[in-house]
Amino acid sequence: DTAVSQTPKYLVTQMGNDKSIKCEQNLGHDTMYWYKQDSKKFLKIMFSYNNKELIINETVPNRFSPKSPDKAHLNLHINSLELGDSAVYFCASSPPGYSGNTIYFGEGSWLTVV
Amino acid sequence: EDKVVQSPLSLVVHEGDTVTLNCSYEVTNFRSLLWYKQEKKAPTFLFMLTSSGIEKKSGRLSSILDKKELSSILNITATQTGDSAIYLCAVLLYSGAGSYQLTFGKGTKLSVIP
Repeated sequence: DTAVSQTPKYLVTQMGNDKSIKCEQNLGHDTMYWYKQDSKKFLKIMFSYNNKELIINETVPNRFSPKSPDKAHLNLHINSLELGDSAVYFCASSPPGYSGNTIYFGEGSWLTVV
Repeated sequence: EDKVVQSPLSLVVHEGDTVTLNCSYEVTNFRSLLWYKQEKKAPTFLFMLTSSGIEKKSGRLSSILDKKELSSILNITATQTGDSAIYLCAVLLYSGAGSYQLTFGKGTKLSVIP
């Protein structure tokens, strides 16, 4: 069973469209994350979210919004897509407390905006 | 702003060589430092270092943290072509409300040639 799963794996879409990437974890973790990895392979945190609080990286444009229907899901919605949004988006999750080796990544969603 | 800096950014070696990858950090709310290996998909966990001066080993890979110097090194001995990957250093930070997040460096791209 995949611990953190993301869909779609690949997405090609036109500028100006609105799209969503879904993420689900079956680990019972409390905290979920979205990371963006750009063409230079730099992984940057976008959001972290648990039952209590959404923490937003202030550099993320407000066209990006996380939506969590329940504890096991954190979807990423992107409005008015721009060329610069092309990247790989990784979802991740972790249990309460900290233990870095228990942050689990999904396999990534490759977004290409044309 | 939290910073994680890796060096070198890229490295080309011959099989059998030993390499040392560097990571330094300037962050608040440090909890631990992690090393990941990324090939084509999501980063895969290598080591988590919390205490200074204690070497962690896994096969030909080893790593150590120096909290006084705010840095870590990852050593790979007797490199093989399968070691070719991007090696990511990340610092686990407490981000509030019981949540933790990883802040990544830009990675070191290692290429091992036969």
